[in-house]
Amino acid sequence: EIVLTQSPGTLSLSPGERATLSCRASQSVSSTYLAWYQQNPGQAPRLLIYGASSRATGIPDRFSGSGSGTDFTLTISRLEPEDFAVYYCQQYGGSPYTFGQGTNLEIK
Amino acid sequence: QVQLVQSGAEVKKPGASVKVSCKASGYTFTIYYMHWVRQAPGQGLEWMGIINPSGGTASYAQKFQGRVTMTRDTSTSTVYMDLSSLTSEDTAVYYCARSWTSSSNFDYWGQGTLVTVSS
Repeated sequence: EIVLTQSPGTLSLSPGERATLSCRASQSVSSTYLAWYQQNPGQAPRLLIYGASSRATGIPDRFSGSGSGTDFTLTISRLEPEDFAVYYCQQYGGSPYTFGQGTNLEIK
Repeated sequence: QVQLVQSGAEVKKPGASVKVSCKASGYTFTIYYMHWVRQAPGQGLEWMGIINPSGGTASYAQKFQGRVTMTRDTSTSTVYMDLSSLTSEDTAVYYCARSWTSSSNFDYWGQGTLVTVSS
């Protein structure tokens, strides 16, 4: 099983700032099979990034993904108030499909 | 538009079973796989298994083997997740989520179903 470790656990920033979230895999993951999701309280997760760097439909271009092998990054260039949420990375190359434990992006 | 609409909240006693449904609309039901993911209160996301609505074959996370069954009804475009021998550790929100293939991202999610296990 591929274990995904996200850091930091909590990130406190202000609107307008840049956010950098990390996801490290216990073994190499093809970038084809790495996604990021955003989850707001009481809501289902929403797909942001797939294939490590491709934005899902309707996702603003302030969100970008990068990385390869075991290290992946989600960057939000300028935080908007609606971006404060929990973010999860996921590998979906094969069973079991695993998620990171999440990064809570909170308003400073 | 694509919609995955799940059944309502459930309260179950320890040892009981629960069956959660997920009704799909807005796309061809049989050409997308469906996953089940759960989230315990205040915790992260945990993948439970996948079903191919076309043939009905399912594959489960090892943790749930023997306790979970995923089925589908193509006549109503609905998938079901049945979890037995419930304990308090199974208290969680259960989500269905769609993927294009068995190795694709989860592009649409249901709204979630809260299952509470309590004596």
